[in-house]
Amino acid sequence: EIVLTQSPGTLSLSPGERATLSCRASQTVGGGSLAWFQQKPGQAPRLLISGASTRATGIPDRFRGSGSGTDFTLTISRLEPEDFAVYYCQQYGSSPRTFGQGTKVEIK
Amino acid sequence: EVQLVQSAAEVKKPGESLSISCKGSGYSFTNYWIGWVRQRPGKGLEWMGVIYPGDSDIRYSPSFQGQVTISADKSISSAYLQWSSLKASDTAMYYCAKSSLRSLHTAFNVWGQGTMVTVSS
Repeated sequence: EIVLTQSPGTLSLSPGERATLSCRASQTVGGGSLAWFQQKPGQAPRLLISGASTRATGIPDRFRGSGSGTDFTLTISRLEPEDFAVYYCQQYGSSPRTFGQGTKVEIK
Repeated sequence: EVQLVQSAAEVKKPGESLSISCKGSGYSFTNYWIGWVRQRPGKGLEWMGVIYPGDSDIRYSPSFQGQVTISADKSISSAYLQWSSLKASDTAMYYCAKSSLRSLHTAFNVWGQGTMVTVSS
């Protein structure tokens, strides 16, 4: 099973700042099959990025995914108030698919 | 509109059985995988398993194999997650989600609203 480790655990930033979230895999993620999800309190997760870098329908271009192999990054270029949430990475290239433990982006 | 609608919250006692449901609409239910995800209170997301309703191909995550049963009834476009004997540790929010493509190895892009299961004596 591929273990995903996200860092940092919490990111304290102000609106307008840039957020950089990391997701490191214990083995190569096949086919770049890495997704990022956003979850706000009381809501279901929402798919942001699939295939490491492809934005899902309706996702603003301030969200950018990058990386390959074992190292992946989600960058939010300028934080909007609605972006403060928990972000999870997930690999789906190998069974079972697995999630990282999450990074909370909070208002500083 | 593609939608997954889950059954209502449940409160059960330890040892009781339970089945929760996830009904798909707005797409061909038999042609996409449905997955189940657990989220314990204040914790992260855990992948439980998936089913392909077209032929009931089921894949469990090792941590959940033998602990739950995943099934589907394609005649009513519904998937199910079942427990035969609940434990307090099963208290969690459970989400279903739909694959974006027919392949198993794709991202899941549509999610249900979640079903909260509380197990308490």
